[in-house]
Amino acid sequence: KAGVTQTPRYLIKTRGQQVTLSCSPISGHRSVSWYQQTPGQGLQFLFEYFSETQRNKGNFPGRFSGRQFSNSRSEMNVSTLELGDSALYLCASSLEGSGGGADTQYFGPGTRLTVL
Amino acid sequence: TQLLEQSPQFLSIQEGENLTVYCNSSSVFSSLQWYRQEPGEGPVLLVTVVTGGEVKKLKRLTFQFGDARKDSSLHITAAQPGDTGLYLCAGHQTSGSRLTFGEGTQLTVNP
Repeated sequence: KAGVTQTPRYLIKTRGQQVTLSCSPISGHRSVSWYQQTPGQGLQFLFEYFSETQRNKGNFPGRFSGRQFSNSRSEMNVSTLELGDSALYLCASSLEGSGGGADTQYFGPGTRLTVL
Repeated sequence: TQLLEQSPQFLSIQEGENLTVYCNSSSVFSSLQWYRQEPGEGPVLLVTVVTGGEVKKLKRLTFQFGDARKDSSLHITAAQPGDTGLYLCAGHQTSGSRLTFGEGTQLTVNP
């Protein structure tokens, strides 16, 4: 099976712009979670989508949004970019998600976003 | 304040040495997971522990979940340069809750 893929791998934007990142989960996985990883904060949970519905949300401002399509592919969007949004954005897929210890999350390689 | 505190944050050792990484919390977790992340890649799951006091071994890696399910440790025996990476602990406070990560321990094993 192909792993989780994320596009693009690298992105450079300027303050005030908006960006859309894409994630294709492992075939058959219905849950997609997004995380922001920075050196100072580690991995912070953004949101989780399951069957096209947002099931969990982290403590990020409304500039961060996402969606999931019927084929389980997911996108996240960040509007009005700030310098502090520079980070590695990771997507993870799992069969059912939010399943405690029983459901393994498989991570993609991430999208490295740099905001200038 | 992080819900999961990892220590140490950085560890640089020589090949062949043993090491232990700790993951502590004041909260109870229904399960804890350990991941390893290499540069340019996403985290890869190493193990999941769900029972208080549980010990799991994966070759030279030994994982332990505390009796009270508030802490965990990862012990590596005879470390090799290939063990170099960022080790992350993560946990679910309850079944169905989001996964919370520690800040990670950056391990460097020098040949």
